[in-house]
Amino acid sequence: AQTVTQSQPEMSVQEAETVTLSCTYDTSESDYYLFWYKQPPSRQMILVIRQEAYKQQNATENRFSVNFQKAAKSFSLKISDSQLGDAAMYFCAYRSAGGKLIFGQGTELSVKP
Amino acid sequence: DAMVIQNPRYQVTQFGKPVTLSCSQTLNHNVMYWYQQKSSQAPKLLFHYYDKDFNNEADTPDNFQSRRPNTSFCFLDIRSPGLGDAAMYLCATSRADPVTEQFFGPGTRLTVL
Repeated sequence: AQTVTQSQPEMSVQEAETVTLSCTYDTSESDYYLFWYKQPPSRQMILVIRQEAYKQQNATENRFSVNFQKAAKSFSLKISDSQLGDAAMYFCAYRSAGGKLIFGQGTELSVKP
Repeated sequence: DAMVIQNPRYQVTQFGKPVTLSCSQTLNHNVMYWYQQKSSQAPKLLFHYYDKDFNNEADTPDNFQSRRPNTSFCFLDIRSPGLGDAAMYLCATSRADPVTEQFFGPGTRLTVL
């Protein structure tokens, strides 16, 4: 069975600085998708970024980028120029070809002004 | 805008009193999911519908049921809520072909008195 591990329960970053959230996963599948979701306090979970396993190029969405290391089964999220609105719980998620999402435990990110 | 809508946003019920949570979507996605999320934890998948086909997770209690009368609507019925069922309930949707990321609703926070 697939598993997703986020080893950092909490992280903190200074406004305008860069922070990296870690995620590792375990799978025997070759075709899959990886996601980072953001869930602000009492607010909706939204997709931050997605990565298809067959793509070697790391996904980027504005200030958010990933470092996808397929052989190492690592999928970290880098947030550049951190803003107060980035404070949230971040979930790494794996989606197999069957469609179900497997979430990591989450990393709570705080941003200090 | 296309979206996933959950009603009500907050629901209070009494121990043992049946409750129904609703989810609707304007995305025309054929897959709909129900998750339970407790404080500071990852969402836990309860079940999902692939069109009209119901797929229950093995560890979902019988106390939880679901109905999907049409593509747009899906309901979560909790037949006899216990104190342990107090949680945020998230509805999500996705396309099935090709499989895409899941889009989440804002959630319904259930309180059991």
